[in-house]
Amino acid sequence: GAVVSQHPSWVICKSGTSVKIECRSLDFQATTMFWYRQFPKQSLMLMATSNEGSKATYEQGVEKDKFLINHASLTLSTLTVTSAHPEDSSFYICSASQGGDFNEQFFGPGTRLTVL
Amino acid sequence: GQNIDQPTEMTATEGAIVQINCTYQTSGFNGLFWYQQHAGEAPTFLSYNVLDGLEEKGRFSSFLSRSKGYSYLLLKELQMKDSASYLCAVMDSNYQLIWGAGTKLIIKP
Repeated sequence: GAVVSQHPSWVICKSGTSVKIECRSLDFQATTMFWYRQFPKQSLMLMATSNEGSKATYEQGVEKDKFLINHASLTLSTLTVTSAHPEDSSFYICSASQGGDFNEQFFGPGTRLTVL
Repeated sequence: GQNIDQPTEMTATEGAIVQINCTYQTSGFNGLFWYQQHAGEAPTFLSYNVLDGLEEKGRFSSFLSRSKGYSYLLLKELQMKDSASYLCAVMDSNYQLIWGAGTKLIIKP
């Protein structure tokens, strides 16, 4: 149980275009979803936290107009990288939490974005 | 500020035992997680400690001392497939996960 999927797993796009990444919890309802970015040989960097039906909370330094997050249902959150540039190339990982005291995060497989 | 420290890289021999340490300073504490991450993949959950002591799960064990702000992950009977990065993460008072940079574990035959 507790499976999280991401789509696409791998995307290459031209500079200036927008890319949408989907994160789905397949067998549970996720009260909270998290979006991370990970550059090579570095740890996970939390970008934003989103609860279903409300606006995402962005971490300091993350541009909310550039990284649009929509958490429309308890099983789906989307991250749109708008006007992508080469420096946005990274590994984007979502995770989902069922809530409660334990609050374990279940991770999706990640999306590798390369902007040319 | 909040800080998680763990060694950058460790090397061990197949069949041996290795201990990966993690020290933390966070605003509040709601548990400490260990995750395994193979190159190019997302992290997978290994363990969760919220009370002091040792939690054993097969070949992997995790220890926590809240008074010392210290945890370790112990891996026994190392296998080549254990070569990965091991991430220590602490959940703070806001239930946010604070991540360490990860320890890259290299297993040699």
